[in-house]
Amino acid sequence: QKEVEQDPGPLSVPEGAIVSLNCTYSNSAFQYFMWYRQYSRKGPELLMYTYSSGNKEDGRFTAQVDKSSKYISLFIRDSQPSDSATYLCASSYGANSKLTFGKGITLSVRP
Amino acid sequence: NAGVTQTPKFRILKIGQSMTLQCTQDMNHNYMYWYRQDPGMGLKLIYYSVGAGITDKGEVPNGYNVSRSTTEDFPLRLELAAPSQTSVYFCASSYSASASGANVLTFGAGSRLTVL
Repeated sequence: QKEVEQDPGPLSVPEGAIVSLNCTYSNSAFQYFMWYRQYSRKGPELLMYTYSSGNKEDGRFTAQVDKSSKYISLFIRDSQPSDSATYLCASSYGANSKLTFGKGITLSVRP
Repeated sequence: NAGVTQTPKFRILKIGQSMTLQCTQDMNHNYMYWYRQDPGMGLKLIYYSVGAGITDKGEVPNGYNVSRSTTEDFPLRLELAAPSQTSVYFCASSYSASASGANVLTFGAGSRLTVL
C-alpha cells in the first residue's frame, strides 16, 4: 500500500461549487500534512499545511486532518476558474523529514 | 529574489546521451531535492541533500547522480539516457529550521526532458 493515496481524477465542477479533495495515509507516524497546488506547466507551490489533527482555514480554503481515520481533506468554497490546477497532498514525519506525495488530482472549474 | 532556478526548461536527448540539469537557489536553503513527475504518478524523489557535501538517495535514484559543492547549486546528472527517463524534473529547496516547523518546499518551474 502506498503511504499516501489520493482520490483519482480528474474532477470538473461549475464555478461557485464547493470542492472536496481527499487523501488517505497509512503511516500513523506522519505529523505534518500539506497541500500543494500546481498550475499547468509550473512547479508546485504550497497552498497550506496542518500539524497533527484539526482544521486550518485560509480564505476560501480549509484543510482538515483526521488522524483517527488517517484522512486528509482540502475544501474549496465558492470555487473559481482560477482554482483550476492539480492539487497534491503530502505528509511527513517531522519538521525536517522528506515529504511523501500523493499522485495528485486535476481540478477544472467551469465558468 | 529568483527562488529556485532550473535550466534548461526543455531538452530532447537521444538514447545513450548524457546531460546535466542545473538547479540553483538564492534563499540560503540548506535542503535541496530533485523530483521527477510522470503523468498521473505524482512526485517521486530522486536524490536530496541536507547541505553542501552531503547527498543521499531518494525513491528512484537509478540512472542519476548528484553533487552539492555549494549551498546554492544542486545539479542532476543523467548518464546513458533511456526512454524511461522521459519526464518532468523538479528541483526544490527548503530551510531546515523554519519557524513553522514544517518542511516547506519551494519548487523550480521544472525541466521537461524527452529521451528518444
